[in-house]
Amino acid sequence: QSALTQPASVSGSPGQSITISCTGTSSDVGSYDLVSWYQHHPGKAPKVIFYEVSKRPSGVSIRFSGSKSGNTASLTISGLQAEDEADYYCCSYAGGATWVFGGGTKVTVL
Amino acid sequence: QEQLQQWGAGLLKPSESLSLTCAVSGGSFSGYFWSWIRQSPEGLEWIGEINRSGSTNYNPSLKSRVTISIDTSKNQFSLKLSSVTAADTAVYHCARLRLTKIRGVITPNYFDLWGQGTLVSVSS
Repeated sequence: QSALTQPASVSGSPGQSITISCTGTSSDVGSYDLVSWYQHHPGKAPKVIFYEVSKRPSGVSIRFSGSKSGNTASLTISGLQAEDEADYYCCSYAGGATWVFGGGTKVTVL
Repeated sequence: QEQLQQWGAGLLKPSESLSLTCAVSGGSFSGYFWSWIRQSPEGLEWIGEINRSGSTNYNPSLKSRVTISIDTSKNQFSLKLSSVTAADTAVYHCARLRLTKIRGVITPNYFDLWGQGTLVSVSS
């Protein structure tokens, strides 16, 4: 059970769009649609922003979108805002009642 | 307002045991799995989970050292990690794993409520 692979950092200017990839294997991301994404502002509790790949909990901005293709899930933030600066983590069910997370991506708004 | 409050020792020596507790307030204790997740520079790592009935699931890489228990009378659940080393230094979060119905089947789905985290440092 290896961690999902995310880019360490992604940056963009206000108003731009950025995409964070989350690459797993055919045993986790590729086999299940139980992919979720979490936003973490340091010092605060992480917050779920997507579940089941692309379902957005109430209160999450529509500027965020989620998708999956094969073994890779993606999170896109459109119209980047200063408040989006945070760490983002993906998570996937990995079978056998286990879960695997990604290494996290630090989003910087330039 | 639903929240998770966690506490436990923050500084340990190698070979000691880590012990953390998480209290659930403002919400139901039933119908969820209650989890522990740790955060290090390498990212997040799922440690394990327990439900109200005491059924547990653990990360295979930590299973030999992890025990998660539950006290339903206090709406609390706890983590014990034995024989810690510097590699166990991390921020430990408790979290609630929400179950949803997918195609008619109750399915563990996502972590919808998190504690603030407790920094545990292991150093001699």
